[in-house]
Amino acid sequence: LAKTTQPISMDSYEGQEVNITCSHNNIATNDYITWYQQFPSQGPRFIIQGYKTKVTNEVASLFIPADRKSSTLSLPRVSLSDTAVYYCLVAPNTGTASKLTFGTGTRLQVTL
Amino acid sequence: DTGVSQDPRHKITKRGQNVTFRCDPISEHNRLYWYRQTLGQGPEFLTYFQNEAQLEKSRLLSDRFSAERPKGSFSTLEIQRTEQGDSAMYLCASSLEQGRNYGYTFGSGTRLTVV
Repeated sequence: LAKTTQPISMDSYEGQEVNITCSHNNIATNDYITWYQQFPSQGPRFIIQGYKTKVTNEVASLFIPADRKSSTLSLPRVSLSDTAVYYCLVAPNTGTASKLTFGTGTRLQVTL
Repeated sequence: DTGVSQDPRHKITKRGQNVTFRCDPISEHNRLYWYRQTLGQGPEFLTYFQNEAQLEKSRLLSDRFSAERPKGSFSTLEIQRTEQGDSAMYLCASSLEQGRNYGYTFGSGTRLTVV
């Protein structure tokens, strides 16, 4: 499974755009990039998934350059409730995939 | 059925006792996963089922741990002879095996404290 590297922590003020970058230099051709969000005392929650270029949903955008060796999760206009740990994962999105492997994630702290 | 349910939410047990946790996945999901999470760390994979078959177990899963998923519905995770190092949040997740939209739905976890 491809190893991912992301910042341990980030701080932001409410209303700002937050970009969290994840490196995955040895990503495989059939790997997808998936981001999860976790609040204290809760299980992780799926945010977004992509393979290449840009994916956007009601929560976030995911930017993936052509070489796919990194990706950036973009959270527009964060609020205090976006304070959480964000995990970047890389894994095949096929029936043969076994499980997702989580790293330590990026702890985002949003303040007023 | 709105999500993955785990029971109990909290469990305090004395060292050496056995404990059992239950997970009820989303009904149409055929895959079920168990993870363990300690403070400040990401979830660590323990084991997963496809329907009733246990397809993979992590080396983290010592012989004191056993998981079952009878009839491919709910699952139980049992820890025998608990140790203080077993204190953690135990998370269950389920997913629907398909080509795309590969997203896990996690429960809120069972927090185990071994005293």
